[in-house]
Amino acid sequence: DAKTTQPPSMDCAEGRAANLPCNHSTISGNEYVYWYRQIHSQGPQYIIHGLKNNETNEMASLIITEDRKSSTLILPHATLRDTAVYYCIANNNNDMRFGAGTRLTVKP
Amino acid sequence: EPEVTQTPSHQVTQMGQEVILRCVPISNHLYFYWYRQILGQKVEFLVSFYNNEISEKSEIFDDQFSVERPDGSNFTLKIRSTKLEDSAMYFCASSPDSYNEQFFGPGTRLTVL
Repeated sequence: DAKTTQPPSMDCAEGRAANLPCNHSTISGNEYVYWYRQIHSQGPQYIIHGLKNNETNEMASLIITEDRKSSTLILPHATLRDTAVYYCIANNNNDMRFGAGTRLTVKP
Repeated sequence: EPEVTQTPSHQVTQMGQEVILRCVPISNHLYFYWYRQILGQKVEFLVSFYNNEISEKSEIFDDQFSVERPDGSNFTLKIRSTKLEDSAMYFCASSPDSYNEQFFGPGTRLTVL
């Protein structure tokens, strides 16, 4: 699995877009980029994943650079309930290797 | 909406005892996983299970651990002789295939005294 690098923490104002970056410069061609989050000590929650195209679902958008060495998770209108640790994972098999993630704090 | 369930929510045991953690994955899913999270640390992959056998396991998943799908609905993690350092949250997850999202359960908090 490719190593990923994320900032340890970020703040975002409620109602604004939260843009969470992730570097995965050693990603290989068949590795997907997955994003999960963990609210407090609950089980991780899947957000979105992609291979090379940008993806959007009801929760978020995923922007992957053309060289696939980095990506950005966008929460378009962050709410207080989006406060969580966000994990970016790059892999091509079914064992998710979680790093330390980014602790996002949404402030009123 | 279907969800992964886990029992018990909290298990307290004495060091050296065997524990079995239980999970009911989402019914049409084919891949099953166990992860653990020691308090304050990151989520760690333990094992994945497909077609009634282990498909991947981490270095943490040693001979003390075993998994089983005893019937069509349950997926269990057994720790044969618990150690203090096994105290953690244990999360079960399931997915419909190997490339799609994994759905996590709420976890079982294991405390080894």
